[in-house]
Amino acid sequence: GQNIDQPTEMTATEGAIVQINCTYQTSGFNGLFWYQQHAGEAPTFLSYNVLDGLEEKGRFSSFLSRSKGYSYLLLKELQMKDSASYLCAVRDLGEGGGNKLTFGTGTQLKVEL
Amino acid sequence: GAGVSQSPSNKVTEKGKDVELRCDPISGHTALYWYRQSLGQGLEFLIYFQGNSAPDKSGLPSDRFSAERTGGSVSTLTIQRTQQEDSAVYLCASSATSGSLETQYFGPGTRLLVL
Repeated sequence: GQNIDQPTEMTATEGAIVQINCTYQTSGFNGLFWYQQHAGEAPTFLSYNVLDGLEEKGRFSSFLSRSKGYSYLLLKELQMKDSASYLCAVRDLGEGGGNKLTFGTGTQLKVEL
Repeated sequence: GAGVSQSPSNKVTEKGKDVELRCDPISGHTALYWYRQSLGQGLEFLIYFQGNSAPDKSGLPSDRFSAERTGGSVSTLTIQRTQQEDSAVYLCASSATSGSLETQYFGPGTRLLVL
């Protein structure tokens, strides 16, 4: 089965750095994705990791350790608009070769002044 | 071109009625996925299409749920005899292929409320 855990809520200050952790126990693994979802909107792709290590994309970085079943999303220079839910998702090969995503429940980040 | 679009944005129905939810994927995307997001729950995989065929239906919760895709483009998710527990946001995603490096892009979802 699939089990993905991430904190329910986090609060951080504008301009600061925040790290959102995700741990997973899955029967298969073909990459880990991070999505951002503002209330009432579609999840938007942020980053993905297939191999161990750090991937950096501007203010966002994501880290993966496959041996530990662990990832984190790092957000730097926080802005008010970063207040959103951050979804951790593990990709696995499904039946017929499709890449199905299994999501955690999301971490609601609140950025304060 | 445009992103993934879904219609209707919101749907309120009575228990026992049938509903149809529509997804228009990004033009040229061959892979299409349906997910469901219930309150307080993570997104839950429902079904995957490659072209017009659905090789993975493993996430459909019951035989009241079905989906089809025509012309390798538009997909319709049908829920028959709706129940209150079907209330959720139904999200559609598409990707260029089903290859291992492909990213899924999501539509805005249809918010379904079953009274």
